[in-house]
Order: sequence, then structure tokens, then C-alpha cells
Amino acid sequence: GAVVSQHPSWVICKSGTSVKIECRSLDFQATTMFWYRQFPKQSLMLMATSNEGSKATYEQGVEKDKFLINHASLTLSTLTVTSAHPEDSSFYICSALDPSGYTDTQYFGPGTRLTVL
Amino acid sequence: AQRVTQPEKLLSVFKGAPVELKCNYSYSGSPELFWYVQYSRQRLQLLLRHISRESIKGFTADLNKGETSFHLKKPFAQEEDSAMYYCALSGQETSGSRLTFGEGTQLTVNP
Repeated sequence: GAVVSQHPSWVICKSGTSVKIECRSLDFQATTMFWYRQFPKQSLMLMATSNEGSKATYEQGVEKDKFLINHASLTLSTLTVTSAHPEDSSFYICSALDPSGYTDTQYFGPGTRLTVL
Repeated sequence: AQRVTQPEKLLSVFKGAPVELKCNYSYSGSPELFWYVQYSRQRLQLLLRHISRESIKGFTADLNKGETSFHLKKPFAQEEDSAMYYCALSGQETSGSRLTFGEGTQLTVNP
């Protein structure tokens, strides 16, 4: 089946620094990728929809300048958490939409755990 | 607005017992419903979707538009079914996009 990878799997950074998380579709082309955030013992919350070659669409309440999304190719989307603060500590999960089958299916990455000190 | 509710955060059953994970949704249009599963230390993966009308790993789910529900059922639970289960809804024309997830139900199947 389709595989989505994320890098890094975990990262610790100091408050005020920026962190970039990569999401790659390994064996299919994904024109659309999604970024989610998950707090401990809570559900996934959609942050934004990343479209290849165009601007990301952010969900209500998600700061565009805080969470920069770039979808430069059909297999790569990046999420940059700018000027990170402890409250940004969370589990960030991406998914990629594979429209090649008869129905669109989202394939999820393993997630990236961000800890901001 | 679309919303998914899973009323049980924790569900514990014994091996061989029937199990039902509840999911209710709120959406004004015609939704597409999914069940995703996350086994311990693994990524989220699609279990089944209502449009497929298939049984995966013995699980089935029927969309009941009158009750706005999409409960997940299995007649005989197995220990390997222990996992976190998320119900999700897609309200757009293109299925699989912009998913809204429920809070999740942690299923534990005891020996």
C-alpha cells in the first residue's frame, strides 16, 4: 500500500526557534496533503490542507504565520513551526491523499513529536 | 459545520464477546463516514469506509442516516483488536478529504 513518511520523528527545540517537519509520499504522487495536530489523549485536529503549487488552506483558528506550509512538489510538503513556544509542543501528523484509486484515500504518516523547551 | 461524536473514551470487553463502538455525526449534507484504527505505536490507518460496504478484520459499520450514526461492530472480539478507534467524517464531494475526527475510543480486549 501507499506509504507516507515524516521526518523527523521527534524533535526538541528551544523556545523562539523554528522547526521544519517534512512529509513525503513515497510511492505515489499527492496533490493534496493534510497537516493535523494531536494533543495527548485527544483526537486529531486538522490544521491545514496543503495543495501542490498553491497556498495552503488553513482551518479557522490556525495561525498562518505561525505554521508555514509549503507543498513544493507532488511528493513533499513541509510544516515549519516558527518562533516555537512551549504551547506548540504536540504531535504533528500529516496525511497524503492518493486519488489514483477508484476512491480517494488518505494515508497517514507516523507523526512527529515536537517538544519546545 | 460537521461534527463527530464518540461517546465512549474507553471500552473494555472480553475475548470472544461482541463489541460495538459508537459514532454519531452531525452534518447537513451527504457525508462520507470512515473508521480509522491506531494500534499501539503505529500510525493511523483506514479500517473501513461506509461507501465500500465491506467487512475488514471482521468489523462492519452501517451508516444510519435517520439516527446519524455509524457504529462499528464485531461479533467476536479478539485480543489483537485492542487499539484506538477513530470515527471520521468527510463532508466534501471529493471523498477522503478534510476529515473531521471524533475523540476516539480506546478498545481493550481482555483475554
